[in-house]
Amino acid sequence: DADVTQTPRNRITKTGKRIMLECSQTKGHDRMYWYRQDPGLGLQLIYYSFDVKDINKGEISDGYSVSRQAQAKFSLSLESAIPNQTALYFCATSDSGTGGLNEQFFGPGTRLTVL
Amino acid sequence: AQSVTQPDIHITVSEGASLELRCNYSYGATPYLFWYVQSPGQGLQLLLKYFSGDTLVQGIKGFEAEFKRSQSSFNLRKPSVHWSDAAEYFCAVGPNSGYALNFGKGTSLLVTP
Repeated sequence: DADVTQTPRNRITKTGKRIMLECSQTKGHDRMYWYRQDPGLGLQLIYYSFDVKDINKGEISDGYSVSRQAQAKFSLSLESAIPNQTALYFCATSDSGTGGLNEQFFGPGTRLTVL
Repeated sequence: AQSVTQPDIHITVSEGASLELRCNYSYGATPYLFWYVQSPGQGLQLLLKYFSGDTLVQGIKGFEAEFKRSQSSFNLRKPSVHWSDAAEYFCAVGPNSGYALNFGKGTSLLVTP
């Protein structure tokens, strides 16, 4: 089984709808991240969380919110979806471990289309 | 501000030929550097990473990268490309906010017969 899972894998929705993307991990990592990928733009950080009570905005958090329901679960919500939020969304995890920066492990991605 | 530049958006190489993907970074301190690969429809997989020590880093799938501080570069190389190497390659530097990574825009690799 995959260590980092994302549901759904694909979603088509309409402008104004509320959407939730879910991420679960079995790696036991404390840090979790949501990134957005647009063609030709690489990955941009939306939100990150160090633990259940520690949630922080990334560089492009406007229009998004998150919830860390448990150490293993980190959900991304679009309260009122708009077409320019059409993108590929990735969840990632890392382990604070010895401190500092450790590699991130990515889920398979959720392809979201907002019509 | 830190940034990552991958100058080549697309690269085409013949199967069996050598490969070099370029990555330049701007970072105020000693960077942590990564190369990830994204196959079509897949998430990102770590190829290799550099934290400190030997500047030539070996990774999975026969890839290697060399950290050159004087040139602010971390180029990815492979001596002989296989058709299965066709994918999108991302260079990343950190730590960014929350120990996240700052990604380049990616280089798309096409491998021809």
